[in-house]
Amino acid sequence: GENVEQHPSTLSVQEGDSAVIKCTYSDSASNYFPWYKQELGKGPQLIIDIRSNVGEKKDQRIAVTLNKTAKHFSLHITETQPEDSAVYFCAASVRTNDYKLSFGAGTTVTVRA
Amino acid sequence: NAGVTQTPKFRVLKTGQSMTLLCAQDMNHEYMYWYRQDPGMGLRLIHYSVGEGTTAKGEVPDGYNVSRLKKQNFLLGLESAAPSQTSVYFCASRWGLAVETQYFGPGTRLLVL
Repeated sequence: GENVEQHPSTLSVQEGDSAVIKCTYSDSASNYFPWYKQELGKGPQLIIDIRSNVGEKKDQRIAVTLNKTAKHFSLHITETQPEDSAVYFCAASVRTNDYKLSFGAGTTVTVRA
Repeated sequence: NAGVTQTPKFRVLKTGQSMTLLCAQDMNHEYMYWYRQDPGMGLRLIHYSVGEGTTAKGEVPDGYNVSRLKKQNFLLGLESAAPSQTSVYFCASRWGLAVETQYFGPGTRLLVL
């Protein structure tokens, strides 16, 4: 099955700096890559996603890049703010496998004021 | 529109006891999923359903059963709880074939003593 690895496991950044989280996947058939943000005591919330026919996608301060050849994708958060502090999960899925999500282990992001 | 709701929010069980977790969605989604979240391991798929009356196994199905008698509800059962089932359980739902996005509930925290 799909194996998703996520790095780093923890990330501390100064407010206003950028944060980058990287994930690799094993199944070359994977074609959908969402990123979820989980705040303490809450369920994961989708923040951005990318499909395999696109190399980059941006939504305000958040961007995701995908390298299909290398089988890795990254989340970029610019101008970080205290409310960006949370756990972030990457995931990968395959359309022909009912889009079941395989998650990375998560990255705890702390934004220092 | 409540989205995805889960009942109960928290439960303590003794080893060997049984219980049922309820997930409900009011978005008329076809697909529903049950995940468990453990520290350092991300979310892992337990069981899922591609429509009313259907169920299928995920990555970690042992010790759990599910039922989808109504389209809006997906039940997760533990017949004989074990300490290894101490976890946070999340339900998610998705519209259908062409729409990949999964929406998550707030979670149920389960402690098995």
